[in-house]
Amino acid sequence: DTGVSQNPRHKITKRGQNVTFRCDPISEHNRLYWYRQTLGQGPEFLTYFQNEAQLEKSRLLSDRFSAERPKGSFSTLEIQRTEQGDSAMYLCASSLAGSQYTQETQYFGPGTRLLVL
Amino acid sequence: DAKTTQPNSMESNEEEPVHLPCNHSTISGTDYIHWYRQLPSQGPEYVIHGLTSNVNNRMASLAIAEDRKSSTLILHRATLRDAAVYYCILRPTSGSARQLTFGSGTQLTVLP
Repeated sequence: DTGVSQNPRHKITKRGQNVTFRCDPISEHNRLYWYRQTLGQGPEFLTYFQNEAQLEKSRLLSDRFSAERPKGSFSTLEIQRTEQGDSAMYLCASSLAGSQYTQETQYFGPGTRLLVL
Repeated sequence: DAKTTQPNSMESNEEEPVHLPCNHSTISGTDYIHWYRQLPSQGPEYVIHGLTSNVNNRMASLAIAEDRKSSTLILHRATLRDAAVYYCILRPTSGSARQLTFGSGTQLTVLP
């Protein structure tokens, strides 16, 4: 399968614990996005990388959240001191630079579902 | 940013055409109209996009009103596998153009 992969698919943690999610984009894609989706809502943008550079962060990305893409390939999203409100589906998407953003297609992974108890 | 309005839910019978509407009355002249769908327990997937002319691909057709204030996603022959949430999204040429801004979408139910 050459699509976007995310691990783990499910994570249950206790409030106050740290969690880390991994995203492996499609191999030739150099743009990578993180979104968060709560039940019944559409995904909300969190942050965006072009290669290893983090170019944009949403106000939703509090200081407890950090994302990295060290070699411009896979990315990790860490949440420190988790809260119950962090329970959501965390989605990763990738796309190919060279296309204008207005016509860009983003390819999504299956997501990591986080439950904070 | 321009916003989109979609019905919360729609139903269709299997093997019949489905027309999913989207209103975007404040669309700018260079905003592209994109559609994504999200099957249960999966990430969203791209369906189609267009600017002014109607567009066709293997998944669907996109009909864009002449004034561009509305568009319709057409599934020519719905199958049970088409049951999903369909999102109509505008991609602006300025501002926060990089990310996709999702609304609540339309939940499509396909009846056997």
